[in-house]
Amino acid sequence: DVKVTQSSRYLVKRTGEKVFLECVQDMDHENMFWYRQDPGLGLRLIYFSYDVKMKEKGDIPEGYSVSREKKERFSLILESASTNQTSMYLCASSVGRAGTYEQYFGPGTRLTVT
Amino acid sequence: GENVEQHPSTLSVQEGDSAVIKCTYSDSASNYFPWYKQELGKRPQLIIDIRSNVGEKKDQRIAVTLNKTAKHFSLHITETQPEDSAVYFCAASFSGSARQLTFGSGTQLTVLP
Repeated sequence: DVKVTQSSRYLVKRTGEKVFLECVQDMDHENMFWYRQDPGLGLRLIYFSYDVKMKEKGDIPEGYSVSREKKERFSLILESASTNQTSMYLCASSVGRAGTYEQYFGPGTRLTVT
Repeated sequence: GENVEQHPSTLSVQEGDSAVIKCTYSDSASNYFPWYKQELGKRPQLIIDIRSNVGEKKDQRIAVTLNKTAKHFSLHITETQPEDSAVYFCAASFSGSARQLTFGSGTQLTVLP
């Protein structure tokens, strides 16, 4: 059974703080993704990674960076948190082999920036 | 890049009736179209998907149809039940480095008893 976990369910930070969100998957998946979920906007891709140390920008990378030093762990970093980054953040992973595209999601981190 | 539009944003049906959710995509290179269901307070989960070489796929009460020419695809749920109440997301993907998805904005489906 695939398990994707995220470091926090709820997080409250102040404007200007550096924020780290961590995601860990235990199924040796190649691909990992970070999304933010906002009402009426669906899931928007921030960054993704298809291998250790490899990363690519998604649709809304501004204000974010990522790190993937180990295959099972993918971190999202908010260098200087702003109130417009208040959102639900979802991590996901997928196998990476041709023909198996399902993404498995973590429980989400609800981040509030005040 | 890819753009996926999803309609309607909310949908209420009586238990036992059918529900249809429609999506359109912009990139003709997209060739994989999954649907995810997110129950309240839970994580999204894949419920069905379709590849571009298939026009229709069924799994019990749910089915997905794809019209490549018109660049739209739809989710059909028959004999709806209260447990079908959730937010449904369509998505589209091409053969990118990680099969990354572009999601629609979601449809809140409510099945009324």
